[in-house]
Amino acid sequence: EAGVTQFPSHSVIEKGQTVTLRCDPISGHDNLYWYRRVMGKEIKFLLHFVKESKQDESGMPNNRFLAERTGGTYSTLKVQPAELEDSGVYFCASSPILVLTRNEQFFGPGTRLTVL
Amino acid sequence: DQQVKQNSPSLSVQEGRISILNCDYTNSMFDYFLWYKKYPAEGPTFLISISSIKDKNEDGRFTVFLNKSAKHLSLHIVPSQPGDSAVYFCAGTSGSRLTFGEGTQLTVNP
Repeated sequence: EAGVTQFPSHSVIEKGQTVTLRCDPISGHDNLYWYRRVMGKEIKFLLHFVKESKQDESGMPNNRFLAERTGGTYSTLKVQPAELEDSGVYFCASSPILVLTRNEQFFGPGTRLTVL
Repeated sequence: DQQVKQNSPSLSVQEGRISILNCDYTNSMFDYFLWYKKYPAEGPTFLISISSIKDKNEDGRFTVFLNKSAKHLSLHIVPSQPGDSAVYFCAGTSGSRLTFGEGTQLTVNP
């Protein structure tokens, strides 16, 4: 079974540009999460989809970030326009809808975003 | 407001000895705690978890202890192996999101 995949693995852009990150969850997983780790700090929650619906987007930093999950399959996270402080590693995670209460989530390898 | 804290950024142990990684939390609403392991250029992978109603959970070489009154948990790895060298994240959950600490870099020396 394929794991969570993310594309690209690394993106370098200039301040003010737009970047779109993509996540393909494990097939059949209805829950999809985005997290971000900045400068070796803690991994911070951004938002949670259940199928195509945003369940919780309270972790999104500001309105420059837009996440979508069309058709409840893959998800995209767009940053427009990018700022220097957006640099970090963006992780996507997924879990099945009938998740054990321990809420184990399966993570992708991350996209390292560098804003110059 | 950081709800989960791992105060030791790094830990170095000898192969075969015990590794003890610590984690403190402030949110009493967490009902599960999880430990994840992360290798460079990879995503975190689930290691072991514990329910907030338990005080110990064991899985092979890995044991997690929970002290609710102190809001403290620890991960014990016995015996430690060089392949255990990675960053270990502690996380709490009370629903969907995971709330992570900053991680502890464990180095196991041969």
